[in-house]
Amino acid sequence: GIQVEQSPPDLILQEGANSTLRCNFSDSVNNLQWFHQNPWGQLINLFYIPSGTKQNGRLSATTVATERYSLLYISSSQTTDSGVYFCAVGYGNKLVFGAGTILRVKS
Amino acid sequence: GAVVSQHPSWVICKSGTSVKIECRSLDFQATTMFWYRQFPKQSLMLMATSNEGSKATYEQGVEKDKFLINHASLTLSTLTVTSAHPEDSSFYICSARAWDSLSKALTSPLHFGNGTRLTVT
Repeated sequence: GIQVEQSPPDLILQEGANSTLRCNFSDSVNNLQWFHQNPWGQLINLFYIPSGTKQNGRLSATTVATERYSLLYISSSQTTDSGVYFCAVGYGNKLVFGAGTILRVKS
Repeated sequence: GAVVSQHPSWVICKSGTSVKIECRSLDFQATTMFWYRQFPKQSLMLMATSNEGSKATYEQGVEKDKFLINHASLTLSTLTVTSAHPEDSSFYICSARAWDSLSKALTSPLHFGNGTRLTVT
């Protein structure tokens, strides 16, 4: 099966700082999504980005499918950005999740 | 658009009883729904793929007789945890993929419900 690795596993930021989260995958994929899971467990769909670059406010994402990685950028972080960020890749008809990055933003 | 509703949000049941979780696509038709399980501080693991009108496909290691899945319509899939035990306590999340009737293709993004937290005492 496909391997999905996220880094770093944990990240602590001071409010206002920028960060980059990385997702590496071991095979060609037909889908890639970034999610934010809030403390109540709700998965917020941040980006559907099988390739290219997208931006949404303070967040942006880039996927380089040929090199099998994706990056999620968070700029000017806020305490409400805290939570777990998951990368998930489409492999066949399945969406396979990475282990996640736990982000804590301190005020 | 593309809203997935999951019910209940949380449930507490006694060991040995069965629990049913519903997953509905509210504003689109979902020929395929997926059931995930998440243990505390872990990632989401796919349990099974639910196809409308046919038997579900289970991932390796998931007991099909324990986790009964029914996908009887294009907008509803149910997961029944039978004879629940404390080790079944977990967060269960469903997701659905929309069917694009114009292109006859499955559009790619998965949309997730808000999850069901099951506690078995």
